[in-house]
Amino acid sequence: DSGVTQTPKHLITATGQRVTLRCSPRSGDLSVYWYQQSLDQGLQFLIHYYNGEERAKGNILERFSAQQFPDLHSELNLSSLELGDSALYFCASSVDGDFNSPLHFGNGTRLTVT
Amino acid sequence: DAKTTQPNSMESNEEEPVHLPCNHSTISGTDYIHWYRQLPSQGPEYVIHGLTSNVNNRMASLAIAEDRKSSTLILHRATLRDAAVYYCILRDSAGGTSYGKLTFGQGTILTVHP
Repeated sequence: DSGVTQTPKHLITATGQRVTLRCSPRSGDLSVYWYQQSLDQGLQFLIHYYNGEERAKGNILERFSAQQFPDLHSELNLSSLELGDSALYFCASSVDGDFNSPLHFGNGTRLTVT
Repeated sequence: DAKTTQPNSMESNEEEPVHLPCNHSTISGTDYIHWYRQLPSQGPEYVIHGLTSNVNNRMASLAIAEDRKSSTLILHRATLRDAAVYYCILRDSAGGTSYGKLTFGQGTILTVHP
């Protein structure tokens, strides 16, 4: 158990809809990262937050947004969903944003868009 | 980000050592070498990381070539539970926009035979 909690585990929704994925980092971790994993693209970095502030952005679509709250949990919002957004979404946390700090991943939210 | 090259797949027998290679010929002096693995239906899991010297922990050993252009992850006695995708990742310690994040490649699929 990594200590990172992601909810829900599974989500099935229709095209055009909006969903929110939630992540609770390990106790004491200030950094949260979001990744998307699809069969054809592998693990893609989306965004990194440190102590409530956005640190880095990857290949995150404009239809997607994220935030980290004062209690350090994070939410990833996906809107105007398309079939191609079906994927596993992972959250990871680390003590800080330092290159030397390992990332601890949750078990993901599997999103299916129909 | 500097790239890594890994074999697509490797096979091993249970209780035998496994040597997983990684080439990173364009590595910079500030890049740390990280290894993660992903078991089926789980998020990635941190294995080990290092800069120049060989490293050991309870999970594995990391052997880094003197010129740092390649490294090898060593599992001393493979178990069935070690069957996973293993990712070799360079993590830039110099900061900038890549600060903190991990960039995953395709990894090596390790199959362990009983």
